[in-house]
Amino acid sequence: DQQVKQNSPSLSVQEGRISILNCDYTNSMFDYFLWYKKYPAEGPTFLISISSIKDKNEDGRFTVFLNKSAKHLSLHIVPSQPGDSAVYFCAASALWDAGGGADGLTFGKGTHLIIQP
Amino acid sequence: DVKVTQSSRYLVKRTGEKVFLECVQDMDHENMFWYRQDPGLGLRLIYFSYDVKMKEKGDIPEGYSVSREKKERFSLILESASTNQTSMYLCAISIAGGISSYEQYFGPGTRLTVT
Repeated sequence: DQQVKQNSPSLSVQEGRISILNCDYTNSMFDYFLWYKKYPAEGPTFLISISSIKDKNEDGRFTVFLNKSAKHLSLHIVPSQPGDSAVYFCAASALWDAGGGADGLTFGKGTHLIIQP
Repeated sequence: DVKVTQSSRYLVKRTGEKVFLECVQDMDHENMFWYRQDPGLGLRLIYFSYDVKMKEKGDIPEGYSVSREKKERFSLILESASTNQTSMYLCAISIAGGISSYEQYFGPGTRLTVT
């Protein structure tokens, strides 16, 4: 059973416009959410994250929104640039124990974002 | 900057061979992870480790084992490689304790082909 879902395998957006990538989750124990960006033949790079105690986190052109009641999060990129073309993975985690130390991340299947000139 | 190194970028092995994938980190981080990435399946966790000689199974441990004899090195072992283990293998680390332990940093990956 897939606990983190990215229902759009690909998304095409014009340069300069807003890109919105969506992610849904089913596990109520998840309390931290992350977005990773991956270019071909490279490891994923951490982009932005959000704790379950917040509903928004912003870093430059990237904003992540969390709707806990809907178990939904989204990544907004504005304005979109050609270098943003990549596969974006949504990931989630639950605190492993009270002493800290995160469990492995649960990833979605990814969304391939294509920025068109 | 966090540096995670994987021993090979590309590897070709035959069915039945024993395969070692090495991951080395340079910052004395406790937590290390092995994932595989397949098209349409995203990243799936194979094994992880919180300290030397400690290991925990992830979501898909079957056909794999791990070794962590030193803090900086975490090895993934395919005891008898099979064609369905052809994949991109990714090692990751995180800093133990607190909110930052959620954030994982990945190596460049090893593209393994089993023929």
